[in-house]
Amino acid sequence: GENVEQHPSTLSVQEGDSAVIKCTYSDSASNYFPWYKQELGKRPQLIIDIRSNVGEKKDQRIAVTLNKTAKHFSLHITETQPEDSAVYFCAASRGGETDSWGKLQFGAGTQVVVTP
Amino acid sequence: NAGVTQTPKFQVLKTGQSMTLQCAQDMNHNSMYWYRQDPGMGLRLIYYSASEGTTDKGEVPNGYNVSRLNKREFSLRLESAAPSQTSVYFCASSFLGTGGYEQYFGPGTRLTVT
Repeated sequence: GENVEQHPSTLSVQEGDSAVIKCTYSDSASNYFPWYKQELGKRPQLIIDIRSNVGEKKDQRIAVTLNKTAKHFSLHITETQPEDSAVYFCAASRGGETDSWGKLQFGAGTQVVVTP
Repeated sequence: NAGVTQTPKFQVLKTGQSMTLQCAQDMNHNSMYWYRQDPGMGLRLIYYSASEGTTDKGEVPNGYNVSRLNKREFSLRLESAAPSQTSVYFCASSFLGTGGYEQYFGPGTRLTVT
């Protein structure tokens, strides 16, 4: 089955700096790669996702890049703010094909701390 | 819309006791999922239901059973709780189709087994 590795496990950045989280996956058939943000004591929420027909996607200060050949994808947060402090999870999926039914394989998470 | 709701929010069980975690969604989603979250291990899939009437095992199904009661509701049962099942449990739901869809999570149930 799919295996997703996520690095680093913790990331401390100064407010205004950029943060980068990297994930690798093992299943070359994976084609859907979401990123979830989880604030302390709250539920995970989707912040951005990318599909395998796209190499990069941006949404304001957040961007995700995908390299299908190398089987890795990354989350980039620019101009970090204290409210970006949270745990971020990457995930990979075959995107609803009948042999996967949309199941997500999550990475272990990255604790991001933004210090003012 | 309430989205995905879960009950209870907190529960303490003694080893060997049983309980059922309830989950409901009002977004007309086809698929529903149960995850457990442990420190440093991300979210691990316990069971999922691709559509009403079907259920299947995920990555860590041992010690759990599920029921897809109807399109809205998906329950998780612990028949004989063990301390290793101390965790935070999240239910999620999504549409089903090729290309991948966002999973919406419930608020979670924090379970402690003593």
